[in-house]
Amino acid sequence: AQKVTQAQTEISVVEKEDVTLDCVYETRDTTYYLFWYKQPPSGELVFLIRRNSFDEQNEISGRYSWNFQKSTSSFNFTITASQVVDSAVYFCALSEAGSARQLTFGSGTQLTVLP
Amino acid sequence: DTAVSQTPKYLVTQMGNDKSIKCEQNLGHDTMYWYKQDSKKFLKIMFSYNNKELIINETVPNRFSPKSPDKAHLNLHINSLELGDSAVYFCASSLKGSGEEKLFFGSGTQLSVL
Repeated sequence: AQKVTQAQTEISVVEKEDVTLDCVYETRDTTYYLFWYKQPPSGELVFLIRRNSFDEQNEISGRYSWNFQKSTSSFNFTITASQVVDSAVYFCALSEAGSARQLTFGSGTQLTVLP
Repeated sequence: DTAVSQTPKYLVTQMGNDKSIKCEQNLGHDTMYWYKQDSKKFLKIMFSYNNKELIINETVPNRFSPKSPDKAHLNLHINSLELGDSAVYFCASSLKGSGEEKLFFGSGTQLSVL
């Protein structure tokens, strides 16, 4: 069975600080996909990134970067120079390529960036 | 144009009533989903339909019945509403439902059962 753990329930930082959101996953499949979604206070769910299990290359997109490490089953998300607009709930999610094919979400991390 | 639209955005009703939430996507996707987000923000899949066929049916009370009249629509009907049904319900769609695609979510329906 697939499982995603986001141990950090809430994080508060001051603007311009860097912050890392942790994500640890469990799966028995060798082919799987990892995602991050953002849910701002307005409530919608916004896709941020997708990674497949065969691509361990880290990715950077502006102030966002992702560190995928299969050895530790982790897919951590770092925001550099955080801004107030980054305040949101961030969800890590996993789907398997096999029969499950459903997206399983972690419990989310509430990030608050203070001015 | 909104890619995945669901109505209504807010739904307040009494216990025991029957209500429906509608969802439509104009992305040409084959697969649609319903997710439930509880008060602790936990998101859990309820149903998934691919080409109008039920693919995923998690442990959900049979008071919840999805209906997919065509690939672009997946409505959720709830009978005999209970207090515990209060949550935000998200509709979503993806291209093939293979697991590798990102999901496009609607803006959610906040259901409050009094």
